Amino acid sequence: GENVEQHPSTLSVQEGDSAVIKCTYSDSASNYFPWYKQELGKRPQLIIDIRSNVGEKKDQRIAVTLNKTAKHFSLHITETQPEDSAVYFCAATFSGSARQLTFGSGTQLTVLP
Amino acid sequence: DSGVTQTPKHLITATGQRVTLRCSPRSGDLSVYWYQQSLDQGLQFLIQYYNGEERAKGNILERFSAQQFPDLHSELNLSSLELGDSALYFCASSWTGEGQETQYFGPGTRLLVL
Repeated sequence: GENVEQHPSTLSVQEGDSAVIKCTYSDSASNYFPWYKQELGKRPQLIIDIRSNVGEKKDQRIAVTLNKTAKHFSLHITETQPEDSAVYFCAATFSGSARQLTFGSGTQLTVLP
Repeated sequence: DSGVTQTPKHLITATGQRVTLRCSPRSGDLSVYWYQQSLDQGLQFLIQYYNGEERAKGNILERFSAQQFPDLHSELNLSSLELGDSALYFCASSWTGEGQETQYFGPGTRLLVL
């Protein structure tokens, strides 16, 4: 069935270092891949998304790369700051769906000062 | 602020009871999605409405139902509540046009069933 796997489940980095979170998806026809940041008790907040006709997208310190052949996409955060600490979720929409999101299991990112 | 509103913010009730959660989408958005977030299940899609009609169902229990009204706000009804229904319930909205599937989440309703 439709599935998104996300790794790692926890990630600790020193402030200023880079963080990378990876996701794989099961449906080769998936064409939309958003990333959400969720702080404790708050709503998931869209931070970046990518569509299948693009291989990479960047927004300041955040970038997402997509490898359609391997069916995986990754979130890259550079120059991490303590306020980047949160849970990050990847997601995908699957072919034939009504555009609902299937989420990965989340990554708890901790940026150590 | 995403422009999506949800009420109430918190809800405490007892097993066997029924509750209604409300969501107002962003202005212009026709689609409303409901998601459940529990500690052990992550974010799970429940149901989607588009312009008043049900479009997709996910892992929604038969005890749960939803509807979208002519003004596009949506309600999620949870009945015969069980302890395991305790979770954060989010709604999200999008326009759902081609290339416009970005979903914006509301602040959520935290449900606690005692």
